[in-house]
Amino acid sequence: NAGVTQTPKFRILKIGQSMTLQCTQDMNHNYMYWYRQDPGMGLKLIYYSVGAGITDKGEVPNGYNVSRSTTEDFPLRLELAAPSQTSVYFCASSYSGESNQPQHFGDGTRLSIL
Amino acid sequence: AQKVTQAQTEISVVEKEDVTLDCVYETRDTTYYLFWYKQPPSGELVFLIRRNSFDEQNEISGRYSWNFQKSTSSFNFTITASQVVDSAVYFCALSEARTNAGKSTFGDGTTLTVKP
Repeated sequence: NAGVTQTPKFRILKIGQSMTLQCTQDMNHNYMYWYRQDPGMGLKLIYYSVGAGITDKGEVPNGYNVSRSTTEDFPLRLELAAPSQTSVYFCASSYSGESNQPQHFGDGTRLSIL
Repeated sequence: AQKVTQAQTEISVVEKEDVTLDCVYETRDTTYYLFWYKQPPSGELVFLIRRNSFDEQNEISGRYSWNFQKSTSSFNFTITASQVVDSAVYFCALSEARTNAGKSTFGDGTTLTVKP
C-alpha cells in the first residue's frame, strides 16, 4: 500500500531556478494538500485541492503554483526559487473535506535553496 | 480564527518515565475536531488520534492516553512508561467543522526525547 508518495526526497536548488515537487496518492482521495514545515515550526498550508481541476490558496501561497489534472497527482511548482523557500515540504490527502478526516502524509521533500 | 498552541518546545525524559504533552486551542466554532500526529526522526507524519468537540471522554490506547477538556480548551497527550521509540515531534491540530476542505491548523510541535 503506497499511500502518498513524494519525489524527490531531497533537492538542492540555486536561487532563481525552478522545479516541481511531485505528489501522487493511490487511495482515491479527493482532497489533497501541500504544506511547508520550517525548522521548529508547525505545518503551514500552501495550496489545497478538493478534486481534479480545482485548487485554492492556503495560508502561504506566494512563490508557488499547483495543478490537479488527475485525482492521483498534485504537483507543486516553484518558479523562481528563493532562500526563503528552504523548507521541508509535505503532501497530504484525505478521503473527504469533512473536518473529522485525518490527513495521510507523504514522507516529505527536503528542499534547500542556495 | 483557529489557533493551536503547544507551549512545550522540547521535553527530555528518561525511559520508563511518564510524560504529558500539552495542547491548547482557540476556536469560535462549536463543532470541531482535534488531532494528534507523530513525526518520528524518519520524517513522515503519522496520525495518532482524533477527538470531536462533543466527546470529552478520555481515551486510552496502550501506553497512550488523551485528556480532552473543553473548559480549558486543552487536549493533552500522555505517554506512560515512555520508550526510546517514542522519541519524535508530536503535533496537535485543529479542524473546524465550518472550514471547507478539511483544512487543519497545526501547532508548532513538541520534540520529545526519551533517553535510555
